[in-house]
Amino acid sequence: GESVGLHLPTLSVQEGDNSIINCAYSNSASDYFIWYKQESGKGPQFIIDIRSNMDKRQGQRVTVLLNKTVKHLSLQIAATQPGDSAVYFCAEKQGSGAGSYQLTFGKGTKLSVIP
Amino acid sequence: DTEVTQTPKHLVMGMTNKKSLKCEQHMGHRAMYWYKQKAKKPPELMFVYSYEKLSINESVPSRFSPECPNSSLLNLHLHALQPEDSALYLCASSQVPGPLHFGNGTRLTVT
Repeated sequence: GESVGLHLPTLSVQEGDNSIINCAYSNSASDYFIWYKQESGKGPQFIIDIRSNMDKRQGQRVTVLLNKTVKHLSLQIAATQPGDSAVYFCAEKQGSGAGSYQLTFGKGTKLSVIP
Repeated sequence: DTEVTQTPKHLVMGMTNKKSLKCEQHMGHRAMYWYKQKAKKPPELMFVYSYEKLSINESVPSRFSPECPNSSLLNLHLHALQPEDSALYLCASSQVPGPLHFGNGTRLTVT
């Protein structure tokens, strides 16, 4: 059955402030990383990705930083809005074949935005 | 709305039932995936299809049987499930290189 009392790490941020969500990954050979946002009742939604030959990538209001030395990934959200409230997952590419690959998800962080 | 469509949105089935989950995408992606997600946990990979052939089976019990009839469709056939199989079942598709695109899932309850 399901685990009772299992809680996701939670980050509470005031509306308008910047948010930083961190993720440690496991495989030093991983060459592709993705951040997903998952709202209640929905599937994971792609936010931004980064390849291992980069250490920073920017999107609209979001920035992903990759530190391969310590196997750490972070997602920065500028000017956080109530609509950003969701669970955020980092994911790493673990293996690949012809035309597909294995994507493994981190544990997730719940972001709550305080109006 | 997502570009990956899953049906049904909700499904309740008994342990002796046979049912199927369906997934459709029209983005021309040649890789399709089934993930299982329990509450407050990350999605876990079940199956990967590449060019309509099963390429990865993550040691999933045989009561789950995937099928890829064509490049746009992916099914998951369910038979003799257990209550612990209750979860959100997510379908995704991708092209390589590129991220996985997920549907909104089927919420399955096994009674």
